[in-house]
Amino acid sequence: LAKTTQPVSMDSYEGQEVNITCSHNNIATNDYITWYQQFPSQGPRFIIQGYKTKVTNEVASLFIPADRKSSTLSLPRVSLSDTAVYYCLVVGQTGANNLFFGTGTRLTVIP
Amino acid sequence: GAGVSQTPSNKVTEKGKYVELRCDPISGHTALYWYRQSLGQGPEFLIYFQGTGAADDSGLPNDRFFAVRPEGSVSTLKIQRTERGDSAVYLCASSLRGLGSTEAFFGQGTRLTVV
Repeated sequence: LAKTTQPVSMDSYEGQEVNITCSHNNIATNDYITWYQQFPSQGPRFIIQGYKTKVTNEVASLFIPADRKSSTLSLPRVSLSDTAVYYCLVVGQTGANNLFFGTGTRLTVIP
Repeated sequence: GAGVSQTPSNKVTEKGKYVELRCDPISGHTALYWYRQSLGQGPEFLIYFQGTGAADDSGLPNDRFFAVRPEGSVSTLKIQRTERGDSAVYLCASSLRGLGSTEAFFGQGTRLTVV
C-alpha cells in the first residue's frame, strides 16, 4: 500500500481558501487518491476522489499533478464547520482492498 | 435506515469479559470494513469482508478478536477476554463493491471502554 504523508495540523481564518497537500511517492498505476473528513465523535466521511488532473465537486477540489506523487485538497472559503481531521488515502482497485488511514491533518478554522 | 448503523453506541465492560459489537451496513453493499480508532489517531484497519467471507483479516491484533458476517449483511465483531488496551471507538464501514474506486460509508462507531 502506498504510504501517504500530510501535515499534522493547519489553522485558517474563516472565508479563506485552504489547501492541504499529501505526498504519496510510491503510488501505483491502479491507485486512486481519496480524501475523507472526520468530525469529533463521528465516522469519517468521503469528500472526493480522483485519479489524475483535477476533480471538483460541491465540497472541494482535488488537484493531482502528472506524476501523481502528490495531491492537494482545496477547500474554498472555509467556515467554522470545516474544522475537522482530513485524511488522504491511496487506494488500489485490485489486490489489497483495505483503506489505510494515516494520522490525517487537523484543520482548525478560526473566526 | 439509510446509513450504516452500529450498536451499541457505547459499551462499558469489565476486564476479562466478552463483548459483541454489531454493524448493519447499507443495504446492497457487499463490502464491509471494521476499524478501531484511539484518541488522536486515524482509524486502524481490522478486517474486510466481501460478502460473507473475510477477504482480509490482517489487521486483527490477536486471536481474541473475531468477526463474522454469516449472511453477507450484518456483521458482528467479537472480542474475548477484553483488556484495558482494547478501549477505543470501533468503526464499521460499507461500500458497494469494495474496490478502491468506490466510496465507503462509515457508521458513528461504538465506544468501548474496558475497566
